[in-house]
Amino acid sequence: SQTIHQWPATLVQPVGSPLSLECTVEGTSNPNLYWYRQAAGRGLQLLFYSVGIGQISSEVPQNLSASRPQDRQFILSSKKLLLSDSGFYLCAWSPSDSNQPQHFGDGTRLSIL
Amino acid sequence: SQKIEQNSEALNIQEGKTATLTCNYTNYSPAYLQWYRQDPGRGPVFLLLIRENEKEKRKERLKVTFDTTLKQSLFHITASQPADSATYLCALARANDYKLSFGAGTTVTVRA
Repeated sequence: SQTIHQWPATLVQPVGSPLSLECTVEGTSNPNLYWYRQAAGRGLQLLFYSVGIGQISSEVPQNLSASRPQDRQFILSSKKLLLSDSGFYLCAWSPSDSNQPQHFGDGTRLSIL
Repeated sequence: SQKIEQNSEALNIQEGKTATLTCNYTNYSPAYLQWYRQDPGRGPVFLLLIRENEKEKRKERLKVTFDTTLKQSLFHITASQPADSATYLCALARANDYKLSFGAGTTVTVRA
């Protein structure tokens, strides 16, 4: 069966520090991969999605970037964190066909001090 | 711009009753709609998917309807149990699209 791993579960970082969040998927090939941010009491905001290695689409202009160095690995990065980057970050995967359910990791709670 | 609204932020019901959640959308033509359950501090878990040409879908005690004329989906939890307490999110997507647009969610609390 397929599994998705996301780490770390919580992270506290100072303003201006770099960020790297990693997500890996097991048990499937060529998945679509997604990074979301969820603010308290709000829906999920899609940040990036990828349909293949090296293919990244950005949904909103921001201080973050994403990379997909391997088929089942998706990384969210920042060179310099802002206070506004605080939030709950979720990685998800779906089969490569469109119109499919997405399967989420358990998220990273990021606090910027 | 497109908008997805879920009826209320919180819904409190008595165990054994039916919970009904609403998802309304504007400026959007979804081909399919999904419902997810999210527990505190966890990622959402997929529950049901319904396509624009389907009126109703069921899974155990869950039922989803999709009315493209009213631009609305209803999500029912019948014979509710305290274990059903969670936040429920609706998500929409256009045909042949990978991306989902999520509502803010409705938090359901089932009292024993």
